[in-house]
Amino acid sequence: AQSVSQHNHHVILSEAASLELGCNYSYGGTVNLFWYVQYPGQHLQLLLKYFSGDPLVKGIKGFEAEFIKSKFSFNLRKPSVQWSDTAEYFCAVKGGYSTLTFGKGTMLLVSP
Amino acid sequence: DAGVIQSPRHEVTEMGQEVTLRCKPISGHNSLFWYRQTMMRGLELLIYFNNNVPIDDSGMPEDRFSAKMPNASFSTLKIQPSEPRDSAVYFCASSLGDRAPSNQPQHFGDGTRLSIL
Repeated sequence: AQSVSQHNHHVILSEAASLELGCNYSYGGTVNLFWYVQYPGQHLQLLLKYFSGDPLVKGIKGFEAEFIKSKFSFNLRKPSVQWSDTAEYFCAVKGGYSTLTFGKGTMLLVSP
Repeated sequence: DAGVIQSPRHEVTEMGQEVTLRCKPISGHNSLFWYRQTMMRGLELLIYFNNNVPIDDSGMPEDRFSAKMPNASFSTLKIQPSEPRDSAVYFCASSLGDRAPSNQPQHFGDGTRLSIL
């Protein structure tokens, strides 16, 4: 069975700080990887996805993620966060014919 | 474009009552998913449909929960009887895909915040 682990439950940063949110998954075969964001009171929205090809994936709002197969990781990064990035971030993995499995989420609070 | 539409946005009811949550997927999407989100357990998949057929309901917590998809544009999730531990945010999502489960991104509705007193 596949699983997803997000390293931090809560992250607090100041504006302009750099962000890296960890995500590790367990699955033995080919995977599709996703990061979703949930702004306060809103639904989940897709930030970026990896299916194949270039392991460095660019998403919306300046986010990017790097798939490192040897480490089973798909960490989310942003060079300079803004107050508006305050949200909960979910990593998700889909392997083979299985459904999407979400991590528990990381709550990011950016202070102005 | 209209996204996934869920109703109601909020529901507060007493335990023992029947609760019905509704979802209209994005037109043309043929996969539909029901999720439950709680602080303790995060986002859990309850059930998903492909072409209106339930494919995997292994996430449905117990017999009090049931879901239907009578046509491509409508689905319901019903809890009868409801209990306080059912309090959560319930999300519906839809995606494209010719086979289940598709690897296409899922589009989420705004959710229904359910409180059982």
